[in-house]
Amino acid sequence: EIVLTQSPGTLSLSPGERATLSCRASQSVISSYLAWYQQKPGQAPRLLIYGASSRATGIPDRFSGSGSGTDFTLTISRLEPEDFAVYYCQQYGRSPLFTFGPGTKVDIK
Amino acid sequence: EVQLVESGGGLVQPGGSLRLSCAASGFTFSSYWMHWVRQAPGKGLVWVSHINNDGSSTTYADSVKGRFTISRDNAKNTLYLQMNSLRAEDTAVYYCARGSSYGSFDPWGQGTLVTVSS
Repeated sequence: EIVLTQSPGTLSLSPGERATLSCRASQSVISSYLAWYQQKPGQAPRLLIYGASSRATGIPDRFSGSGSGTDFTLTISRLEPEDFAVYYCQQYGRSPLFTFGPGTKVDIK
Repeated sequence: EVQLVESGGGLVQPGGSLRLSCAASGFTFSSYWMHWVRQAPGKGLVWVSHINNDGSSTTYADSVKGRFTISRDNAKNTLYLQMNSLRAEDTAVYYCARGSSYGSFDPWGQGTLVTVSS
């Protein structure tokens, strides 16, 4: 069974700073079937990145994804006030078929 | 505009049943896999179930297998989740989501809250 681990649990940064979020899988993720989501309080999650590195429609280019195999990274180049939220990674293909990581909270320092 | 709207949540006693619905609009519903994902209060996202575009294939998380049934009515553009033998640990906001590229979920509905309590 594949397990996704996200680090850090909480990232405290100031607007304008760079955020680097990690997602590590216990087994290799099939064909880079790795996605990232943003969730703000009281809202549904929003897809940011799919296929490990492709931005979803309407997502600003300050968000970028990279990685393959078991190590993936979401980078926010310059934090805007609206970027403070919880971020989840998710894989498809290994058992269980769809799995989410526990999330990383990005809050204001 | 692509839209997913869940309904059917509420308060139910342990051991009870509930059926959630997700009305889809703005896209060709019959062409997409669909999913249910839940989120317990203050916790993370947990995938619950998936159904393929014509309803011939379904999968479930181990925690709900044998108790929950996912289905769809492509003529009505509606996804369902029949939940039986509900437990306190099933308390969560339930989101429906459309299957998208590389196994991702996009978009998501606004969610419906299910509370299992006596």
